[in-house]
Amino acid sequence: TQLLEQSPQFLSIQEGENLTVYCNSSSVFSSLQWYRQEPGEGPVLLVTVVTGGEVKKLKRLTFQFGDARKDSSLHITAAQTGDTGLYLCAGPSGGGADGLTFGKGTHLIIQP
Amino acid sequence: ETGVTQSPTHLIKTRGQQVTLRCSSQSGHNTVSWYQQALGQGPQFIFQYYREEENGRGNFPPRFSGLQFPNYSSELNVNALELDDSALYLCASSFGGTSLYEQYFGPGTRLTVT
Repeated sequence: TQLLEQSPQFLSIQEGENLTVYCNSSSVFSSLQWYRQEPGEGPVLLVTVVTGGEVKKLKRLTFQFGDARKDSSLHITAAQTGDTGLYLCAGPSGGGADGLTFGKGTHLIIQP
Repeated sequence: ETGVTQSPTHLIKTRGQQVTLRCSSQSGHNTVSWYQQALGQGPQFIFQYYREEENGRGNFPPRFSGLQFPNYSSELNVNALELDDSALYLCASSFGGTSLYEQYFGPGTRLTVT
């Protein structure tokens, strides 16, 4: 079973600060996805990374896929209160119809 | 374009009872996956339906079963409910019968078993 470990588990910072959260595995993933989930809602897909070393930017969010495709990071620049939420990374469990394996997520709180 | 919808929003059941949760997939999608998200955890894959057939299954017992209908909507049935079944149940729709395609999640059904 492929596992995804996310760190930190909880992070609380002030608005305007920068932060990075991590997603690590001992297994190689063909792709990784990042989701954000707000209370009472389902996860919303932010990005999919598929190539080792790939960097994708989504406004103030920068996503990187490790060269060996075993890890990924999410960096947020100048965090805003609207960035508050649970950030989940996920990858294909078995590459086929085996659903997604999710990490436990990073609970991010941006304080005004 | 209509997003993924789930019903009911919340549900309270007693241990030993049976429950049916429903999901309408996003327009144009033919695949529905179900996930269980316990409090403080990431979602765990239950199973996936593609063109009305179960197409993959996670580590859940047979008392978790499902259906997909010709319009690609889906049901999740759980028999003999246990206290540990209390969780947020999420469905996700996608096009193509694998997890390699982007999945779009519904808001979930919060199930409480007492």
